[in-house]
Amino acid sequence: QSALTQPASVSGSPGQSITISCTGTSSDVGSYNLVSWYQQHPGKAPKLMIYEGSKRPSGVSNRFSGSKSGNTASLTISGLQAEDEADYYCCSYAGSSTFGFGGGTKLTVL
Amino acid sequence: QVTLKESGPVLVKPTETLTLTCTVSGFSLSNARMGVSWIRQPPGKALEWLAHIFSNDEKSYSTSLKSRLTISKDTSKSQVVLTMTNMDPVDTATYYCATPSSSWGFDYWGQGTLVTVSS
Repeated sequence: QSALTQPASVSGSPGQSITISCTGTSSDVGSYNLVSWYQQHPGKAPKLMIYEGSKRPSGVSNRFSGSKSGNTASLTISGLQAEDEADYYCCSYAGSSTFGFGGGTKLTVL
Repeated sequence: QVTLKESGPVLVKPTETLTLTCTVSGFSLSNARMGVSWIRQPPGKALEWLAHIFSNDEKSYSTSLKSRLTISKDTSKSQVVLTMTNMDPVDTATYYCATPSSSWGFDYWGQGTLVTVSS
């Protein structure tokens, strides 16, 4: 399983929208609609924000949305809030019950 | 209410074998959910998926670490055990267990346990 590629950092001002990309290959992101996204605050366990590419678990704000095009998945956060500042990781099913995570993106709310 | 909790040594020496236990509650390892994965995170670095075990005892492993990992479960104790052989300082990390929903999103995680590899 190869690591998925994410930008190291993104930033935005409160109220703005940002998008984090997650690029894989035709063996993972491109082959399955099973990309998930996680938010991780310092010292905390990751929290599931998006699954199956675009679905939100109960309790997750609708400001978070996901999409996919080809081998690249994306997480968009609209109406940025201070509490959105965190690390974000994508994860994709890679076949044979294996998974790969992205390198993580640090979101800074300016 | 689904909960997971990791336990194991805080410190291991290089070349030793690490054994970690994930104790779950709120679901049965024999017939519910999609099983349990182990995922680790070195300090300041990214998450890395390690291994998964299903309720039917099927197992899968990270390609890069497969030779060093063994995952097993004790359904009667509600525990999933991960062993990693030949530990090295680069294996220093917080080790998490997590369980995915049927859609393969890891919706429940343990708190994590930090393991340091040092002589």
